[in-house]
Amino acid sequence: AQSVTQLGSHVSVSEGALVLLRCNYSSSVPPYLFWYVQYPNQGLQLLLKYTTGATLVKGINGFEAEFKKSETSFHLTKPSAHMSDAAEYFCALNRDDKIIFGKGTRLHILP
Amino acid sequence: DAGVIQSPRHEVTEMGQEVTLRCKPISGHNSLFWYRQTMMRGLELLIYFNNNVPIDDSGMPEDRFSAKMPNASFSTLKIQPSEPRDSAVYFCASSLLVVQGPWGQFFGPGTRLTVL
Repeated sequence: AQSVTQLGSHVSVSEGALVLLRCNYSSSVPPYLFWYVQYPNQGLQLLLKYTTGATLVKGINGFEAEFKKSETSFHLTKPSAHMSDAAEYFCALNRDDKIIFGKGTRLHILP
Repeated sequence: DAGVIQSPRHEVTEMGQEVTLRCKPISGHNSLFWYRQTMMRGLELLIYFNNNVPIDDSGMPEDRFSAKMPNASFSTLKIQPSEPRDSAVYFCASSLLVVQGPWGQFFGPGTRLTVL
């Protein structure tokens, strides 16, 4: 069965520090993977996606993620956190026509 | 493009009343999804349509929930009768499915439903 696991429901980082949000997946077929961000009182917004090809994927707002098949991971990173990055982040896996979402990680930015 | 449009943005109703949520997907997208988000259960897929046809409604909680997509530019999610436990944020999302793979889903701003 295909699934997505996000490690840590809450992550806190200082402004200017590295952001690392962890995501592991389980899939019997080559996966399509996504990261979404949800700001307060808004819908989910696509940050980036991996389909095929280059394993390092760059997204909006300076975020990037690396697909590592050997580790079944798709962690999200940003070199320097900004206060505006405070939000909830969802890792997701495509299955047929549907997307399976992880439970989300709330990112807190400390001044 | 205006993105996915949902209405109303907020709905407060009393238990037993009928509630209708509306969604206009992005023009040209061929799939539409309805989700429900709560603190307790997270993001749940209720139903999705492809080319206006319901493909999977296994996430619909019970018979009180129904969804329609009469054309490519409009969908409704109806709850009748509504109950307090239906209180949640309901999201509509659309996407374009092509042979090459998914492009990702684009979400509307959501409808916050409160059933008293």
